[in-house]
Amino acid sequence: AQSVSQHNHHVILSEAASLELGCNYSYGGTVNLFWYVQYPGQHLQLLLKYFSGDPLVKGIKGFEAEFIKSKFSFNLRKPSVQWSDTAEYFCAVPNQGGKLIFGQGTELSVKP
Amino acid sequence: DAGITQSPRHKVTETGTPVTLRCHQTENHRYMYWYRQDPGHGLRLIHYSYGVKDTDKGEVSDGYSVSRSKTEDFLLTLESATSSQTSVYFCAISDRAGAQGYTFGSGTRLTVV
Repeated sequence: AQSVSQHNHHVILSEAASLELGCNYSYGGTVNLFWYVQYPGQHLQLLLKYFSGDPLVKGIKGFEAEFIKSKFSFNLRKPSVQWSDTAEYFCAVPNQGGKLIFGQGTELSVKP
Repeated sequence: DAGITQSPRHKVTETGTPVTLRCHQTENHRYMYWYRQDPGHGLRLIHYSYGVKDTDKGEVSDGYSVSRSKTEDFLLTLESATSSQTSVYFCAISDRAGAQGYTFGSGTRLTVV
């Protein structure tokens, strides 16, 4: 069965620092990959998604993610974080039945 | 995202009472989902629906039931609420079976005392 792992549970950064959040999935076939963001007290919003083609995907608010098939990874990156990026970030991938399964989430705290 | 609304937004209920949460969509999407969000567990699928009167269980369905009598409404019922069901519940919709991602509602924070 498909599974998703996010190894960073809580990341604390200062403004302008670079960010990389790890995401690994278990199923090696064709996959669609997603990153969602949840700002404090809000619902999940789609940050970016990968379906096929260029493995470097650009999303909203300056975020990007790189799909590395050989490593079963889809890490999220941002060159310079802002205080407003403080949120929880979830990686997700559909299982064989097409339903999204989510990682445990990574809480990002950005210090001004 | 105005296309999906959840009600109520907050609810406190007593152990043993039945509770129904409502998800309403205006997008005419075929697929609807109920997730619960708990610290350290991310989001876990409770039940989902792939059409009117077509529903199925997710990974944490015990103690929950659902109904979908209309395309736009997906109800989640806690038959006899327990403290372990204290959580934030999110509804999501998609026009395909998850392959294109979901749109989420704003959530219902449920506390069972």
